[in-house]
Amino acid sequence: QSVLTQPPSVSAAPGQKVTISCSGSNSNIGNNYVSWYQQLPGTAPKLLIYDNNKRPSGIPDRFSGSKSGTSATLGITGLQTGDEADYYCGTWDSSLSAVVFGGGTKLTVL
Amino acid sequence: QVQLQESGPGLVKPSETLSLTCAVSGYSISSGYYWGWIRQPPGKGLEWIGSIYHSGSTYYNPSLKSRVTISVDTSKNQLSLKLSSVTAADTAVYYCARHYCSGGSCFQNWFDPWGQGTLVTVSS
Repeated sequence: QSVLTQPPSVSAAPGQKVTISCSGSNSNIGNNYVSWYQQLPGTAPKLLIYDNNKRPSGIPDRFSGSKSGTSATLGITGLQTGDEADYYCGTWDSSLSAVVFGGGTKLTVL
Repeated sequence: QVQLQESGPGLVKPSETLSLTCAVSGYSISSGYYWGWIRQPPGKGLEWIGSIYHSGSTYYNPSLKSRVTISVDTSKNQLSLKLSSVTAADTAVYYCARHYCSGGSCFQNWFDPWGQGTLVTVSS
């Protein structure tokens, strides 16, 4: 059981937009910054978003992040088949004094 | 660019100690940042194990703290993980990553980049 809650799966057609939610509490998302990671099949996770909504160099602006209260959202526009991957949110939990991750969301581009 | 490479035994017996090393290239550990270990059981999600600063200051996952030791060797530019009394539940791909952790409580934190990971199986 993960501290952060993500939908197990989402799907959309190529070219469309999809959002992935990440729900937590005041001890984690509510008072700390959120990061997002993309894990392509058989590879290591890769940082997509940090500080709720910032993109590292090289990450296209098709990927965006937002946060409101105790929830965060990853948005992906102009979906491509190459975006099929598992996506994870992460943050610090002040009560646990630990980094926590969501359970992951599998994106299928139909 | 910064690269990380995990290494260590791929098979560990139950009750023994898992030991892994992460070699860092393209960046001196002594220059800053925390450096962390994260694991992923087959078919499951990510679990943070712990992180260490070049000075030796550490954060550990409370659920693993009693069994984990993370250390850093700045002369070799590498970090190490030891996990004692392993069981089948510790079977996972183990990743090391550079960990940006700000302030005294990591309220800003992210992992970038990650190593490619190494699979460790616990079995007799």
